[in-house]
Amino acid sequence: RKEVEQDPGPFNVPEGATVAFNCTYSNSASQSFFWYRQDCRKEPKLLMSVYSSGNEDGRFTAQLNRASQYISLLIRDSKLSDSATYLCVVKGLTGGGNKLTFGTGTQLKVEL
Amino acid sequence: GAGVSQSPRYKVAKRGQDVALRCDPISGHVSLFWYQQALGQGPEFLTYFQNEAQLDKSGLPSDRFFAERPEGSVSTLKIQRTQQEDSAVYLCASSLSRGLAGITDTQYFGPGTRLTVL
Repeated sequence: RKEVEQDPGPFNVPEGATVAFNCTYSNSASQSFFWYRQDCRKEPKLLMSVYSSGNEDGRFTAQLNRASQYISLLIRDSKLSDSATYLCVVKGLTGGGNKLTFGTGTQLKVEL
Repeated sequence: GAGVSQSPRYKVAKRGQDVALRCDPISGHVSLFWYQQALGQGPEFLTYFQNEAQLDKSGLPSDRFFAERPEGSVSTLKIQRTQQEDSAVYLCASSLSRGLAGITDTQYFGPGTRLTVL
């Protein structure tokens, strides 16, 4: 079983739609959680950190459920520019506590 | 300001050749990471440096892979006797902190080196 699991998609949604991505992780001792965004042939970039209390950044809302080892990302009023791959990321105990473990990514295509 | 830079951006190697990939982290960043990203997959951890010390190399797939950061700044990932399965994008990331427990800091990624082994 992969340490971080995501539905690879693609999710094809019309502009303005609300879309949700989910992710599960296997290591209950994981310390920190993130969503990264990766455009085609580009490097991953941090979208937002994820906290148990839930956090929001504009149209993006992230949620963590430690008991279920489940992370989510909600995008409201999606834009064409949101089209990208969204990577669920867990920061673990090796690599000096800084090693990032990535899911395979969920591809989002926002269409007119 | 300058981000993480990597060179070359693209590298084509014949099977059996040795390659060297360079990473220039953000100035002052203590931690440096190498990741390997195969097509259609998320990045996978290879190795981690804190300054010049290689503290974790558990992700290196074989003894053909070697990484160094001799002066605690620039890092080189070397792959000896390249194989077709080594074809991937090699990403370097750096972060400011030493990874102390309870401290969260962002890893900034370079643009990657796309390695194709023929």
